[in-house]
Amino acid sequence: AQSVTQLGSHVSVSEGALVLLRCNYSSSVPPYLFWYVQYPNQGLQLLLKYTSAATLVKGINGFEAEFKKSETSFHLTKPSAHMSDAAEYFCAVSENTGFQKLVFGTGTRLLVSP
Amino acid sequence: DSGVTQTPKHLITATGQRVTLRCSPRSGDLSVYWYQQSLDQGLQFLIQYYNGEERAKGNILERFSAQQFPDLHSELNLSSLELGDSALYFCASSVDGKNTEAFFGQGTRLTVV
Repeated sequence: AQSVTQLGSHVSVSEGALVLLRCNYSSSVPPYLFWYVQYPNQGLQLLLKYTSAATLVKGINGFEAEFKKSETSFHLTKPSAHMSDAAEYFCAVSENTGFQKLVFGTGTRLLVSP
Repeated sequence: DSGVTQTPKHLITATGQRVTLRCSPRSGDLSVYWYQQSLDQGLQFLIQYYNGEERAKGNILERFSAQQFPDLHSELNLSSLELGDSALYFCASSVDGKNTEAFFGQGTRLTVV
């Protein structure tokens, strides 16, 4: 069965600092990997997705993630945090069937201080 | 605004009762997904419909059922409710139910007392 592990339930950064949210996956087949963001009282919004094309994936709001098969990782980064980035971030994996049956990690809450 | 509409936004009900959650997908989307977000289980996929037919099934309890109607809206029915069913229930929709992005609604927060 596929799964993802997000290291750190909370990550705190200062405004302007690098954001690094960690995600490791487990999959017996080449995975589709996703990062979603959830703002308070909102649904989930797709930040970016990896679908076996380029290993460095650029998403919205300046976020990007790199797929590393050797490390089974798909960490999310942003060079400079903004206050508006404060939210909960979810990594997800699916079988090689795209957006069906996403398996989500437990989420990482990003806190951004001035 | 994702374009996916879920009603009601909040629901409080007693144990043993039955409730229906409604989802209207984005215009043009043929597929609807249901997810449950709870403190205990996190975000879990429940079920997916495509153009009225069940496409995929996840960890959906037998007490729960769903359907997608000809106008493509979907309903999730939860019966014999237990305290542990308290959660945020999300609906998402996508065009083809596979390779196109699934857009999420704001969810229905169900509280069972």
